[in-house]
Amino acid sequence: ETGVTQTPRHLVMGMTNKKSLKCEQHLGHNAMYWYKQSAKKPLELMFVYNFKEQTENNSVPSRFSPECPNSSHLFLHLHTLQPEDSALYLCASSSTSGAANEQFFGPGTRLTVL
Amino acid sequence: GQSLEQPSEVTAVEGAIVQINCTYQTSGFYGLSWYQQHDGGAPTFLSYNALDGLEETGRFSSFLSRSDSYGYLLLQELQMKDSASYFCAPHSGNTPLVFGKGTRLSVIA
Repeated sequence: ETGVTQTPRHLVMGMTNKKSLKCEQHLGHNAMYWYKQSAKKPLELMFVYNFKEQTENNSVPSRFSPECPNSSHLFLHLHTLQPEDSALYLCASSSTSGAANEQFFGPGTRLTVL
Repeated sequence: GQSLEQPSEVTAVEGAIVQINCTYQTSGFYGLSWYQQHDGGAPTFLSYNALDGLEETGRFSSFLSRSDSYGYLLLQELQMKDSASYFCAPHSGNTPLVFGKGTRLSVIA
């Protein structure tokens, strides 16, 4: 596979469930990102990892827990979510997290919390 | 702080030219990127301007005026497939991109 892949593409979960989103990039990049995209709201940056180190946490609630075991993989662990967490979760990667680096996005995971 | 303004919706006719404006306030500004996102799809990179002036890539061009904190995306010879949301995103130092709410472009026949 090429580019940035995300699994699952769709996820429905209850508020007491625990699930994980997976992102994998095949571009040799060193920076990976999680974004949340809700209807009629801007893309919200959640987390940034640069060379496997978390460099940004945009005041994200602790019910979202990222994990970056290596530069190619990024996970978002979900626990006791709320209905307002329903959104499209996008993963992206870039060569580094610096200024002009083009970000390549995955197709996203459409999450519905019941 | 940072702020970003772009129109929420624009409608244009197939074959026409449309300009999507973006004004920003960003400390430590480096440059301005544009991304396209079709419904149900992922954002894809269109262009990046670090210097003042116009950058042309096929039917799409992007302009930046650093002194005015202003940029625009120009789409020429509009096609139906250009119907999508377009996001401007200013770069600031080593911090990641900040995306605006996007402009939804509808191309009509």
